[in-house]
Amino acid sequence: DAKTTQPPSMDCAEGRAANLPCNHSTISGNEYVYWYRQIHSQGPQYIIHGLKNNETNEMASLIITEDRKSSTLILPHATLRDTAVYYCIVRVVGPPGGYNKLIFGAGTRLAVHP
Amino acid sequence: NAGVTQTPKFRVLKTGQSMTLLCAQDMNHEYMYWYRQDPGMGLRLIHYSVGEGTTAKGEVPDGYNVSRLKKQNFLLGLESAAPSQTSVYFCASSYGTTRSYNEQFFGPGTRLTVL
Repeated sequence: DAKTTQPPSMDCAEGRAANLPCNHSTISGNEYVYWYRQIHSQGPQYIIHGLKNNETNEMASLIITEDRKSSTLILPHATLRDTAVYYCIVRVVGPPGGYNKLIFGAGTRLAVHP
Repeated sequence: NAGVTQTPKFRVLKTGQSMTLLCAQDMNHEYMYWYRQDPGMGLRLIHYSVGEGTTAKGEVPDGYNVSRLKKQNFLLGLESAAPSQTSVYFCASSYGTTRSYNEQFFGPGTRLTVL
C-alpha cells in the first residue's frame, strides 16, 4: 500500500490561501489521491480526489506533480471553519467484488486564525 | 436525505457488557464500513460490507461482530466490552467499485466508553 507523509500541523491566516502538502512517493499508476478533512468530533468529510491532472471543485483545488510523487491541497480563502485535520489518502484499489480501502494516517492539523 | 446516521451518539458500558451500534444510510449505497478512531490517531477499519448479506474483516476486527441484513443498515456488535474498545466509532457508506471512485460518506460518530 502506498503511504503518505504529511506535516503534523500548519497555521494559516483567515482569508489567505492554505497550501497543504502531501508526499506519496510510492504511489502506483492506478492509485488515486484523496483528501478528506475532519472537523473536531465530526465524521470525516470528502474534499476532492485526483489521478494525475489537477482538479478543482467548490471546496478546494488539488495539484498533483507530474511524477505523481506529491500533491498539494489548496484552500483558496481559508476561513475559521476550515480549522480541521486534513487527511491525504492514496486509495488502494481492491479486487473485483472487493472494496477500495481508504487508509487514514495522522493527517495535518490546520489551524486558521483571525 | 439524512445521509448516514448512527445510534446512539454516546454510550458508557461496564467491562463485559454487550451492545449494538446501528448505522443507517438512505443513499442506496452498496458498501458500508465501520471504523474506530482513538485519540490523536486516524481512523482504522474494523469491518466492512460490499452488499446486503455480506461482511468482511478490516484491519482491527477482533472483539467485534457485524451484520448487514438490510442494504440500508449495518450493525456493529460488541459481545463482551473491554476498556481497550473505548473509542469513537464511525460508520460510512459508498457506492461500489463499478464507479471510478468511491467517496465515502461518514456518519457523526458514536462515542463509547468502557469502564
